[in-house]
Amino acid sequence: GAVVSQHPSRVICKSGTSVKIECRSLDFQATTMFWYRQFPKKSLMLMATSNEGSKATYEQGVEKDKFLINHASLTLSTLTVTSAHPEDSSFYICSARAYGQGGSEQYFGPGTRLTVT
Amino acid sequence: GENVEQHPSTLSVQEGDSAVIKCTYSDSASNYFPWYKQELGKRPQLIIDIRSNVGEKKDQRIAVTLNKTAKHFSLHITETQPEDSAVYFCAASIVRGSNYKLTFGKGTLLTVNP
Repeated sequence: GAVVSQHPSRVICKSGTSVKIECRSLDFQATTMFWYRQFPKKSLMLMATSNEGSKATYEQGVEKDKFLINHASLTLSTLTVTSAHPEDSSFYICSARAYGQGGSEQYFGPGTRLTVT
Repeated sequence: GENVEQHPSTLSVQEGDSAVIKCTYSDSASNYFPWYKQELGKRPQLIIDIRSNVGEKKDQRIAVTLNKTAKHFSLHITETQPEDSAVYFCAASIVRGSNYKLTFGKGTLLTVNP
């Protein structure tokens, strides 16, 4: 299947600082990328849908000024958690939509474990 | 919007037995139903998917069935092995042109006991 990378895999930051997470599709072009948040033993919660060259579409209840998303190219999307607080600590996973035959497959990155102290 | 219910939340089976996980969805327009396997601390991996024009799909020990009338779909794992132990998520989506958004179930923790 298609490969999606995510960097960093783990990050610890102090409260009030900002953290940037990168998501890359390595062997395909992804016009659409998705950012999810996952709490321990919980399901994946979609935060926003990122389309290359346009503004991200945020889900209800997700603050767009806090979670800045940029989809600069067909292979790169970034999520910046601004002014992070301990409650932002979570597992953040990106995914990219690959246009396979009949085409709706979505492939996930390995995730980023964010800890805000 | 779409709502996906998944049952059971936990499932424990003996090695070699079959495991069945069931999901229902609310939006009759949904036409794409993938299943993901997630091991602890790792990324969800697509294991099988089915589209609404098909009633059943099989890949070795894994099969998925879809009942569009009842709006439910199920994952069947036969001859389970300890390495099948993981959290499984079902999802549903309407795929129409560029519109596409997966809605996930809450997950099923499958434990296969040796």
